[in-house]
Amino acid sequence: QLQLQASGPRVVKSSETLSLTCNLSGASNNYWAWIRQPPGKGLEWIGSMFHSGNIQSNPSLKSRVTIALDTSKNLFSLRLNSLTAADTAVYYCARELICSGCANWFDSWGQGAQVTVSS
Amino acid sequence: YELTQPPSVSVSPGQTARITCSGDGLPKQYVHWYRQRAGQAPVLVMFKDRERPSGIPERFSGSSSGTTVTLVIRGVQAEDEGDYYCQSADNSDGFRVFGGGTKLTVL
Repeated sequence: QLQLQASGPRVVKSSETLSLTCNLSGASNNYWAWIRQPPGKGLEWIGSMFHSGNIQSNPSLKSRVTIALDTSKNLFSLRLNSLTAADTAVYYCARELICSGCANWFDSWGQGAQVTVSS
Repeated sequence: YELTQPPSVSVSPGQTARITCSGDGLPKQYVHWYRQRAGQAPVLVMFKDRERPSGIPERFSGSSSGTTVTLVIRGVQAEDEGDYYCQSADNSDGFRVFGGGTKLTVL
């Protein structure tokens, strides 16, 4: 069972930068994704990265998102800048399985990290 | 690109629950389903419209017809309660998209 552990500051001030890291537990040779869920709302894909360096991001967040993968340390990271209250959410890292020519899916999820943006 | 789900579905134990996911791109794209119990991370329960991951009971199945994909849960049990999300990708750019979620209540 893949263990995905997201860590980072849980309260961040408005206009500052959120920084989260996901420990991939020795399995970095995959696609990895960040997904978030605002309180009481649905899931929103943030972005995905393959170990080759290929990155895709949600257009609505792309200008504020930095995703990186350190295969030597098995760490997958997310930085989201210019935070507002709308960025308050549970942030999940997930392993993404590739479907050639079709929609990828997420087969393993971390437990999630609650991040609150305060004013 | 949007995926549309009913906000809620309610069934009695032992009955069949059907949760739909609609989108204009679905005739050319697979849908995957996740169940999220309260306070927990989502869990994959179906992929590529009708394939079950290991550990998911056989009473979970999927079907597709035109612009609608359906998750079917036969013999619903209390443990099936939760929010169910469909997920696919935009045909033009591959960006992942989730449906708004359906709350399944077992009466």
